Amino acid sequence: DTEVTQTPKHLVMGMTNKKSLKCEQHMGHRAMYWYKQKAKKPPELMFVYSYEKLSINESVPSRFSPECPNSSLLNLHLHALQPEDSALYLCASSSRSTGAQNTEAFFGQGTRLTVV
Amino acid sequence: GQNIDQPTEMTATEGAIVQINCTYQTSGFNGLFWYQQHAGEAPTFLSYNVLDGLEEKGRFSSFLSRSKGYSYLLLKELQMKDSASYLCAVSSNAGNNRKLIWGLGTSLAVNP
Repeated sequence: DTEVTQTPKHLVMGMTNKKSLKCEQHMGHRAMYWYKQKAKKPPELMFVYSYEKLSINESVPSRFSPECPNSSLLNLHLHALQPEDSALYLCASSSRSTGAQNTEAFFGQGTRLTVV
Repeated sequence: GQNIDQPTEMTATEGAIVQINCTYQTSGFNGLFWYQQHAGEAPTFLSYNVLDGLEEKGRFSSFLSRSKGYSYLLLKELQMKDSASYLCAVSSNAGNNRKLIWGLGTSLAVNP
């Protein structure tokens, strides 16, 4: 299984809603990532979890709250989002986030989020 | 600072060869990735270079020169399905963590 699975594929939410994005991988990867991508732009790193601990938070607003319940799962909890938060949210995993090289990152298919 | 440059757009003809260049200035270099991304889809891994030289994988090859801060992705026997955005990303050590620094991507259009 070389897949990263994200749900839902599409999400429309109001600015007062609370929703969660989910990501799952069964490759035994110990590093998992959340990225945000706007149209015609490269992915922007949001969070990195390494061995289920948050290791990088790229100054993301607190309305985005990550959670790593176990080594296979990564969630992103959303609350009080703004229309400008509408984007493709990508989850990725890799074999290592520190130390040796060649940490090929596998991406999920993303969640297309629209905030209305 | 950290900087990655690649052309914004390129066009090529089906069956031809195209070379997409990427130059970078980063600290703590730990390898360079190329990804392909079709519109509305997630990036897919194409290649990884950490040592100087050419890595060949089927129709795609990637080259790295660390001393020049330069890489290219070579696509041979172009097919229509190769029309996509090609993203250069450098793995950069930041303290005890490594993260990818991304270029803005090169949008490749393959014409019949």
